[in-house]
Amino acid sequence: DVQMTQSPSSLSASVGDRVTITCRASQNINTYLNWYQQKPGEAPKLLIHGASNLQSGVPSRFSGSGSGTDFTLTISSLQPEDFATYCCQQTYSSFTFGQGTRLEIK
Amino acid sequence: QVTLKESGPVLMKPTETLTLTCTVSGFSLSNVRMGVTWLRQPPGKALEWLAHIFSNDRRDYSEFLKSRLTISKDTSKSQVVLTMTNVDPLDTATYYCARMPARTLVYPYYYMDVWGKGTTVTVSS
Repeated sequence: DVQMTQSPSSLSASVGDRVTITCRASQNINTYLNWYQQKPGEAPKLLIHGASNLQSGVPSRFSGSGSGTDFTLTISSLQPEDFATYCCQQTYSSFTFGQGTRLEIK
Repeated sequence: QVTLKESGPVLMKPTETLTLTCTVSGFSLSNVRMGVTWLRQPPGKALEWLAHIFSNDRRDYSEFLKSRLTISKDTSKSQVVLTMTNVDPLDTATYYCARMPARTLVYPYYYMDVWGKGTTVTVSS
């Protein structure tokens, strides 16, 4: 199984900050990596697919990069609605998710 | 507008069989470009993929759970059904269904682009 490890597990930041979340795969997954946003009581939302492709309708302040084993999700300027949990997913071999990064207001 | 809605029991006893239904709208289950997947998230834990099904009835299951899972679809009802046998308290989770476009030669990636809000199932004696 491909294991996905996210860091940090939680993060405090302020509106306007630039934030980066990291996801590491236990083996090479090329660019088979997606990012999702989760808010309590809401459906998870796809942000990025194929490591760097922004899903339609997602604000351009979100971006993804990486290939192989190391990936990042960057939010260029945090907005109030961005405080949520973010998780990565690999689709190279079956499907596995990272444990999530909780982004909180400082 | 594409929507998916999960339904099923709230509370179950160990050893029972869980049946979950995902009712979709805004797209057809006969669309060759679209599939539906089931996932779950135990309290405080990571999301876990369970199974998916495509319009041609191609199905895949989690290796860890495949002996207990069956996924099927009723295109006329726009429903995808997941059954899980012999439930255990460890199966307590929020269960989600999501639309998953089929990958192509041009774009070989899977992703879940629209999700339901989930349904919470508790297994307890």
